[in-house]
Amino acid sequence: GAGVSQTPSNKVTEKGKYVELRCDPISGHTALYWYRQSLGQGPEFLIYFQGTGAADDSGLPNDRFFAVRPEGSVSTLKIQRTERGDSAVYLCASSPGGETQYFGPGTRLLVL
Amino acid sequence: AQSVTQLDSQVPVFEEAPVELRCNYSSSVSVYLFWYVQYPNQGLQLLLKYLSGSTLVKGINGFEAEFNKSQTSFHLRKPSVHISDTAEYFCAVQIQGAQKLVFGQGTRLTINP
Repeated sequence: GAGVSQTPSNKVTEKGKYVELRCDPISGHTALYWYRQSLGQGPEFLIYFQGTGAADDSGLPNDRFFAVRPEGSVSTLKIQRTERGDSAVYLCASSPGGETQYFGPGTRLLVL
Repeated sequence: AQSVTQLDSQVPVFEEAPVELRCNYSSSVSVYLFWYVQYPNQGLQLLLKYLSGSTLVKGINGFEAEFNKSQTSFHLRKPSVHISDTAEYFCAVQIQGAQKLVFGQGTRLTINP
């Protein structure tokens, strides 16, 4: 079956612009996660959804970052007033509710 | 808070040689343990996981890992590596009952012919 997909695969934007990153989880997976992976680092947790609600958003770095999952499937990570330090690979993962998370290929964001 | 330390940032080995990638974690509560592999320009793929039971866990591609509670370690091993094993390997922990994964910084495994 299809895995987790993320679009776009690459995004280049200018400092101060707004960006949206999309994640399509594996069909039927109720849990969805966003992580951020900076160059040379392991992924860092941003936010976790169970269904439509954000069950844990403790990893969001500041209020410029926001994520939604309005119908309990697709999720969008939104970044306002982007900064150069936001440049990273943004990873999405989904889970059927157990311990194993299945990751997408990521969106590589570059803020100039 | 939990933390994961991968003791080697890079490990070069020759093809068909054995390899061990080291992982230590810190947690005051019980955790689940994972190893993920990231091939160039690809997403993370689960290699193996320890949830409970036997401390020796076998995964895909001939990898295995052993959970050592007293040493808070979860080292990854393979008896004979192939060129195709060249990748970045990440150890991760998850508090039992929680959801987020806490990752180490990764170990880059390079296989030389």
